[in-house]
Amino acid sequence: AQRVTQPEKLLSVFKGAPVELKCNYSYSGSPELFWYVQYSRQRLQLLLRHISRESIKGFTADLNKGETSFHLKKPFAQEEDSAMYYCALSYGGATNKLIFGTGTLLAVQP
Amino acid sequence: DTGVSQDPRHKITKRGQNVTFRCDPISEHNRLYWYRQTLGQGPEFLTYFQNEAQLEKSRLLSDRFSAERPKGSFSTLEIQRTEQGDSAMYLCASSLLAGGVGSSYNEQFFGPGTRLTVL
Repeated sequence: AQRVTQPEKLLSVFKGAPVELKCNYSYSGSPELFWYVQYSRQRLQLLLRHISRESIKGFTADLNKGETSFHLKKPFAQEEDSAMYYCALSYGGATNKLIFGTGTLLAVQP
Repeated sequence: DTGVSQDPRHKITKRGQNVTFRCDPISEHNRLYWYRQTLGQGPEFLTYFQNEAQLEKSRLLSDRFSAERPKGSFSTLEIQRTEQGDSAMYLCASSLLAGGVGSSYNEQFFGPGTRLTVL
């Protein structure tokens, strides 16, 4: 079955420190992977998707099919990055439904 | 605000009562999704519509749950005979399917959610 695993419920770092939010997935085909973010009192929104290969707000994520991982990275954390981050998978077909991980709360300390 | 809207934002009900939630998608979006999120978990897919047709339902959607999108615009999610285990955040998302079925992912835009508490 398709599954997304985010092993860390909470990641606390200091401002300016590097950040890596881990995400592993299980799917035998070719999924599309995403990172969604939810800032305090705001709705869930798309941060980035692997096929676009963009850097959004300084964040990047590389799909590693060999390790079935899609870790989210940022070299220098900012306080405004504090939020809940969800890794999600879509295995296409007709639905394009999303399968989410349990989320990681990133807390950036001043 | 031209984003996805949901009503009500909060609902408290007693066990056994029926509740109905509404979702208004972004106006030109032809796909609408319902997800449920319980404490400490990520959103879980419940069902989705393409225009007015309900094309897939999750096994999470018991026979007490029913969803409609009668005119291909807004959608309602009804829970009959609510149970305490139904307490959750119910999220709606919409997207525009372009390029036909099987085309690459189209971004889903989420609403603020309806928080249901069953006492």
